[in-house]
Amino acid sequence: AQSVTQLDSQVPVFEEAPVELRCNYSSSVSVYLFWYVQYPNQGLQLLLKYLSGSTLVKGINGFEAEFNKSQTSFHLRKPSVHISDTAEYFCAVSETSYDKVIFGPGTSLSVIP
Amino acid sequence: GAGVSQSPSNKVTEKGKDVELRCDPISGHTALYWYRQRLGQGLEFLIYFQGNSAPDKSGLPSDRFSAERTGESVSTLTIQRTQQEDSAVYLCASSRRTPSNEQFFGPGTRLTVL
Repeated sequence: AQSVTQLDSQVPVFEEAPVELRCNYSSSVSVYLFWYVQYPNQGLQLLLKYLSGSTLVKGINGFEAEFNKSQTSFHLRKPSVHISDTAEYFCAVSETSYDKVIFGPGTSLSVIP
Repeated sequence: GAGVSQSPSNKVTEKGKDVELRCDPISGHTALYWYRQRLGQGLEFLIYFQGNSAPDKSGLPSDRFSAERTGESVSTLTIQRTQQEDSAVYLCASSRRTPSNEQFFGPGTRLTVL
C-alpha cells in the first residue's frame, strides 16, 4: 500500500532564505507525485507534479521539486522564500495504474520577516 | 468555468444527529474524492468514485459514514449519529481521468458537532 511521509511538521524560515520541504513515499509500483499548497483560509491548489521524464519539475511561485526514485523522495525547494509563501504544503502520491491519491500529513511553512 | 462547489459551507449539529454534505464536481470530471481534515492535521482519504466503477470506500472510518454519487455528477456524504470526533472540514475534489490526475478541490464544509 502507498504511504507518504513528511518528516517536518513545521518549518520556520526567514524571508529570502532558501527552504526545502521533505517528502518520502513508499510504493512498489510506478507513481505520480504531487505537491499541493493550502494558503491560510483558502482551498488546496496544485503547486507542481511529476508524471515522467525530467526528474526536476518546476511549479508555480518559484517552487521546484526533484524526484529521486532510488531514495523514493520528492523534496520541494525554493531558493528564496517570501512572506506570502506562508502556508501548509502537502505531498501526495498516486499509482500510475490507479487514480486514488494519498496525501502526506503536511508541512506548515512559516516565513519570518 | 465553475470550480468544485460544496454545501453547506458550515454546519453545526448536535451529537447524535445525521448530516448530509453535498459536492458538485467540475463538469466532465469522472473522478470524485472525499477527504477529512481535522484541525491542524493532514488530509484523511475517505472515499473515491471513478465513473460507474464501484467506489473505493477503504478510508471510511466507520459504518456511520456513507457516500453516494449518481453517475458523474453530484455526490453526497452522509454521517449518521454524529459524534464530537467527527468535527472537521470535509473536502471534496474532482479530476479528469488522465495520467496527470490533478485534483481540483472545493472550499470544504466545516462540520462542528456539539
